[in-house]
Parts: sequence; structure tokens; C-alpha cells
Amino acid sequence: KNQVEQSPQSLIILEGKNCTLQCNYTVSPFSNLRWYKQDTGRGPVSLTIMTFSENTKSNGRYTATLDADTKQSSLHITASQLSDSASYICVVRKAAGNKLTFGGGTRVLVKP
Amino acid sequence: KAGVTQTPRYLIKTRGQQVTLSCSPISGHRSVSWYQQTPGQGLQFLFEYFSETQRNKGNFPGRFSGRQFSNSRSEMNVSTLELGDSALYLCASSPGGGGTTYEQYFGPGTRLTVT
Repeated sequence: KNQVEQSPQSLIILEGKNCTLQCNYTVSPFSNLRWYKQDTGRGPVSLTIMTFSENTKSNGRYTATLDADTKQSSLHITASQLSDSASYICVVRKAAGNKLTFGGGTRVLVKP
Repeated sequence: KAGVTQTPRYLIKTRGQQVTLSCSPISGHRSVSWYQQTPGQGLQFLFEYFSETQRNKGNFPGRFSGRQFSNSRSEMNVSTLELGDSALYLCASSPGGGGTTYEQYFGPGTRLTVT
């Protein structure tokens, strides 16, 4: 079964600290993986998209990594800010049929 | 460019009723996808439309249907509402076409509450 599992479910970090979110998937065949940030009450906003051949991609203080062999991705947030408080969702697109599978998300709370 | 707009933003319905939600994609975008988001199930894909044709469909019962008009605007309909249909319904647009790396731009969602 095609699945996307994210961990942790939630985490609290202090402003200025770094954190790493994990995404493991079993979706196959793989097309691409995207990380979204979703603020409360808003629609998700794309942070990064990675295809099979890409290992790392950055978007400001957000850096995503992908290991297609182990089917794992991570999202690293550097020097967190209060505005980073949100849910982060990992989404994997299957190559055959173009279907998307969503992870359950990680809720991040940044405290001053 | 204006973003994706969804109407209404909030809706309260009773069990057994039906509801229609509307989505206007970004100008020039031809693909519209619909998602249901609940605290327990997270984001779940409903269906995708491209050039007025349903291109992909998720695992939802037939009570959930949609359509896309020639101007790319899309509507989603849920008939015979159940309590479990209470959710945030998100619409996303993308340029579409055959590529799979097009970014999807989400609207703010419609919060549906079924009582």
C-alpha cells in the first residue's frame, strides 16, 4: 500500500533553534516529493519539490533532503522564527497514474 | 495575479442536505484539484480536473462529485451530507498539462460543518 509517514506528529522548539522533520514513504514508482507549510486556517504553500535525482534543495531557512534509495526525506528548519509555527506536510506523487499521497503532517510550535 | 479563491469560506449544513462549493483557479491555470482535510485523516485527494475532464479520482464515495467549466472554474458537490463530511475543503490550481512537477497553489479553503 502506498503510504507516507511523518514524524514527529508535533514538536515544540525555542525561537532561534533548529529542527528536523522526517518523512518516510513507500509510494512506488516515485515521481516527486513536495514539502508544504500550512498556517492555521490557510491553504498549504509549497516549500520545495524534489525529483528522483535531487538530494538537497533549499528555500531560505528551509532545507529538504531526499534519499530515494531508502525512501526518506527530511525538512530542516534553521534558526526558527515564530512565523515557522505551522503544520508541515510531505506529499509524494506516484509516477504511474500521477496520484498524490499525503503524510499526516508535523505540527511545529515555535516559542519565544 | 490573483490567487485561488474559494466560496463560500464557511458553511453550516444539516445531515441529509447537499452542498456545492466553488473554486476559481489562478488565471491561466487549467488544472483544479480538490482535497478534504480533517484532523483525523489529514489531507485526502478527492479529484482533479483538467480542461473540463476529470483526470484523477481519489477514494471517496459517489456522493462527492465535481465538474469544471470552460473558464477552468470548478465546483464540488456533496449530496446527502453526513456528520463525517465536516472538514476543510481545499482547492488547488496548477498550470496542468502533462508535467508532474507543476506547483499547486492552494486556496484558503471552505470550512464545512455538518450538524
